[in-house]
Amino acid sequence: GAVVSQHPSWVICKSGTSVKIECRSLDFQATTMFWYRQFPKQSLMLMATSNEGSKATYEQGVEKDKFLINHASLTLSTLTVTSAHPEDSSFYICSVADPGSYGYTFGSGTRLTVV
Amino acid sequence: QQQVKQSPQSLIVQKGGISIINCAYENTAFDYFPWYQQFPGKGPALLIAIRPDVSEKKEGRFTISFNKSAKQFSLHIMDSQPGDSATYFCAASVSYNNNDMRFGAGTRLTVKP
Repeated sequence: GAVVSQHPSWVICKSGTSVKIECRSLDFQATTMFWYRQFPKQSLMLMATSNEGSKATYEQGVEKDKFLINHASLTLSTLTVTSAHPEDSSFYICSVADPGSYGYTFGSGTRLTVV
Repeated sequence: QQQVKQSPQSLIVQKGGISIINCAYENTAFDYFPWYQQFPGKGPALLIAIRPDVSEKKEGRFTISFNKSAKQFSLHIMDSQPGDSATYFCAASVSYNNNDMRFGAGTRLTVKP
């Protein structure tokens, strides 16, 4: 399967600041990447689909101006949580669709804590 | 609208026992059904997957059973071990459009020694 690197694995930031999370596809060029949010003991909630060279597609209810997604290259997508607040604290995970199969490979996730 | 329903929400099994997690789907166009395993603080990892042309797939201690007519599939973990304690997610997608995978709510499995 694909190899996906996500960074950082955890971050603590002050309320009102912005945080950037990176998702890299290490062994193939990913035109599409996915960003999920996961609250404790809950399922994966798709936030947006990141498309290389074009605007991301956001799921209903996800604030575009709050969660900025940039997919400037075929190997890198970034999620920026702007003006973070404590309610944004969560586990954020990226994924790519595996080439040559039908499955997804997930990054290791980023634990964001806003204080 | 939840297109993949997963049960139970949590499961406790004794070491050596069989863990069974069930999923049901609604969209008959789904033709790829993976299971993901997630340990705390980690991203999900693909465990095993099945296509609807077979009714069962086995990989080691993990088996998927698939019932196309009932639109149900299940994960069986034989000889469950404490190291299997994790959250398991079933999922479904239309293979020619794997940009739209739907996940179940997850099952938290605890295997007691």
